[in-house]
Amino acid sequence: KQEVTQIPAALSVPEGENLVLNCSFTDSAIYNLQWFRQDPGKGLTSLLLIQSSQREQTSGRLNASLDKSSGRSTLYIAASQPGDSATYLCAVRGGGSQGNLIFGKGTKLSVKP
Amino acid sequence: NAGVTQTPKFQVLKTGQSMTLQCAQDMNHNSMYWYRQDPGMGLRLIYYSASEGTTDKGEVPNGYNVSRLNKREFSLRLESAAPSQTSVYFCASSEYSTGPYYGYTFGSGTRLTVV
Repeated sequence: KQEVTQIPAALSVPEGENLVLNCSFTDSAIYNLQWFRQDPGKGLTSLLLIQSSQREQTSGRLNASLDKSSGRSTLYIAASQPGDSATYLCAVRGGGSQGNLIFGKGTKLSVKP
Repeated sequence: NAGVTQTPKFQVLKTGQSMTLQCAQDMNHNSMYWYRQDPGMGLRLIYYSASEGTTDKGEVPNGYNVSRLNKREFSLRLESAAPSQTSVYFCASSEYSTGPYYGYTFGSGTRLTVV
């Protein structure tokens, strides 16, 4: 059974720092991996989608990498801002006929001014 | 540009009452999903519909039923609500379930409290 783990569970950094959020998964047979952002009391906003054949995806200050063979992904946030404060969720889409999205429990990020 | 729309946004039920959560998407996606989110448990799949006319159980289906009304709409029904069903419910859609290269789009959620 696929399991997704995110470390750390919470992170507090001063504004301007570059930071890395980690995601690991137990079954490397995935089709893609998706990073989401969730603000308190809100829904999920998709940040980046990486296909299994890709190594990384970039959007603005965000860069996500994928090492499928080792079961790891990282989300790199450059020059963090207070507006980046949110919970970041990693999810993998597995194989088989279902191919449903399986989530980690998230990393709660706080960026202090 | 609505994406995935869920109604209601908030609901309080008494134990034993029933209700239906509504979800509609305007992206012409084939697959739709219902998740629940609980503190410390993350998001867990309740039911999904790979395409119009099909529905399947996910990880935590007990106490729920679903209906894929048409390609746009996928509803979740609680027949006899229990306090353990207090949660935030999210609906999502994706292009294909068996074509795995597409991402998911989520609605803004329904916050349900059962007292």
